[in-house]
Amino acid sequence: AAGVIQSPRHLIKEKRETATLKCYPIPRHDTVYWYQQGPGQDPQFLISFYEKMQSDKGSIPDRFSAQQFSDYHSELNMSSLELGDSALYFCASSPDRRRGNEQFFGPGTRLTVL
Amino acid sequence: QKEVEQDPGPLSVPEGAIVSLNCTYSNSAFQYFMWYRQYSRKGPELLMYTYSSGNKEDGRFTAQVDKSSKYISLFIRDSQPSDSATYLCALYTGTASKLTFGTGTRLQVTL
Repeated sequence: AAGVIQSPRHLIKEKRETATLKCYPIPRHDTVYWYQQGPGQDPQFLISFYEKMQSDKGSIPDRFSAQQFSDYHSELNMSSLELGDSALYFCASSPDRRRGNEQFFGPGTRLTVL
Repeated sequence: QKEVEQDPGPLSVPEGAIVSLNCTYSNSAFQYFMWYRQYSRKGPELLMYTYSSGNKEDGRFTAQVDKSSKYISLFIRDSQPSDSATYLCALYTGTASKLTFGTGTRLQVTL
């Protein structure tokens, strides 16, 4: 079965640089979620999109922005990167926003900020 | 105090043992209760979700929810070395988008 696709899988950036993470949801899933997982921590919700509109916002820094496109893929844009942004970034998708209990996660993008 | 508490382990059991993993929560707004399995450096994999109090079985896995005690469990029967992973409980209110995770319990099944 098709799963959530994330790219790149690994990313190394310098402080103050910009990064863009991409997420391709499971086919026919229209809701996308972004989470950040620090070392040894549980995933923390950042933001979600339904039908290309922002649905919910969590602990996402103002330096980060995200959007969902017409083909339902989503991009997380991170600017002025800080050392503390080093983490695993997961994208998840669900069949629709009313089925948020069925969030399927991608393999993650490991971001390292030097 | 975190909304969801989960013993981080590590929990080490011999192959074939029955494993019990647990979470407690404080917010009665949570309506859905999920268990995810996460292998090292991989994304969380949805194992099961439940809605109401009681038991739900799927193969070797049984999820149990007691809403009155705000206590959820995952039982793994006939544990295998391939079950070695971190198990995260995740709770969902049904209104806000986010899943609220426990810290995860690291399980090691030894031969």
